[in-house]
Parts: sequence; structure tokens; C-alpha cells
Amino acid sequence: GAVVSQHPSRVICKSGTSVKIECRSLDFQATTMFWYRQFPKKSLMLMATSNEGSKATYEQGVEKDKFLINHASLTLSTLTVTSAHPEDSSFYICSARPQGAYTEAFFGQGTRLTVV
Amino acid sequence: AQSVTQLGSHVSVSEGALVLLRCNYSSSVPPYLFWYVQYPNQGLQLLLKYTSAATLVKGINGFEAEFKKSETSFHLTKPSAHMSDAAEYFCAVRGNSGNTPLVFGKGTRLSVIA
Repeated sequence: GAVVSQHPSRVICKSGTSVKIECRSLDFQATTMFWYRQFPKKSLMLMATSNEGSKATYEQGVEKDKFLINHASLTLSTLTVTSAHPEDSSFYICSARPQGAYTEAFFGQGTRLTVV
Repeated sequence: AQSVTQLGSHVSVSEGALVLLRCNYSSSVPPYLFWYVQYPNQGLQLLLKYTSAATLVKGINGFEAEFKKSETSFHLTKPSAHMSDAAEYFCAVRGNSGNTPLVFGKGTRLSVIA
């Protein structure tokens, strides 16, 4: 099956610093990737839709200047949490859907971000 | 627009007992429906999907789900629970066209008691 690799799986950073999370589709191309945030014991909240070669589409209430998304190639999307604060601590998950007949999305392993 | 409601945030069953996790959906277009499983601190793994073919869908690990349009439901079942089934389960929906994101339910935590 299609594999999505997310890196790092866990990161601890100091308040005020920036953190970059990578999402790679290893064996397929994805013109669109999705970024979700998951709070403890909660569902996945869609943050933004990342489109290769164009600007990301952010969901209402998500600060685009804080959560920078870049989709530079058909296999890589990055999420940068800028000037991180403790309230940004969360589990971030990316997903991608292969081009063509696929109907489901494949998910990365997630990134546990802790801001101290 | 699409939405999903999962009834019961926590379900507890005995090992060997029937597993039933409920999911009702709302969709303005014919839906694609999915069940995903999540183990602690991991991503989501697809269990099964409905994409307008057979209404009874069989997935991995012995799970299956039945799409009932009249009831707008897509409940997940497994005849006999195993300890390894303990996890968080998410029902998700999306429209059947375009490259739209999945909309998730709030999840149901399944506990299996020995």
C-alpha cells in the first residue's frame, strides 16, 4: 500500500522557536496533502489543505502566519510551527491521497510536539 | 457539507464478545465512508471503506461495516473481540468527487476486557 512518512515523530522545543514537520509520500505522488491536529482524547481537526506549487488553503480559525505550509514537490509537504507556544503542543498528522483511482487517504505516523 | 457522529466515546467489551461501534453520517452528496484505527501515538490505519459498491464492506482484522442509506449509518462490527483490538476508532466521510479532505467523527475508544 501507499506509504506516508512523517518526520520527526516526536519533538520538544523551547517557547518562541520554530519547528518544521515533514510529510513525504514515499511511493506515490500527491498533488494534495492534508494537515490535521489532534488534541488529547479528541478527534482530528483539519488545519489546512496543502496543494503542490500553490498556496495552502487554511480552515477557519487556523492562523496561516503561525502554521506555515509549503508543498514544494509532489512528494513533500512541510508544516512549520512558528514562534511556538505551549498551547501549540499537540499531535500533528499529515495525510495524502495518491493520484488516480484511490479513494482513501494514507496517513503519516504523526508528530508529537511539546513546547516547553 | 459532510459530518459524522460517532455514538459513544468509549465502548468496553469482553474478549470474544461482539464489537459494535456506531457511526451516522450526514452528506449533501453521495458519500465515501471510512473507518480508521489509531493506536497510541501513532497515525491512522485504514480498516475499511465504502465507495458505492457493495453495501457490506469487509476490512482487515475481521472487521466489517454495512452502509445503510435509509438510516444514514455505517456501523463497524467484529464478531469476536481480541485484546489487540483495543484502540481508538474513527469514522470518516468525504464527498465522492474531487480531492476533498476527510471529515472525522470524534472517535470511539474500544477497551477489551480479558
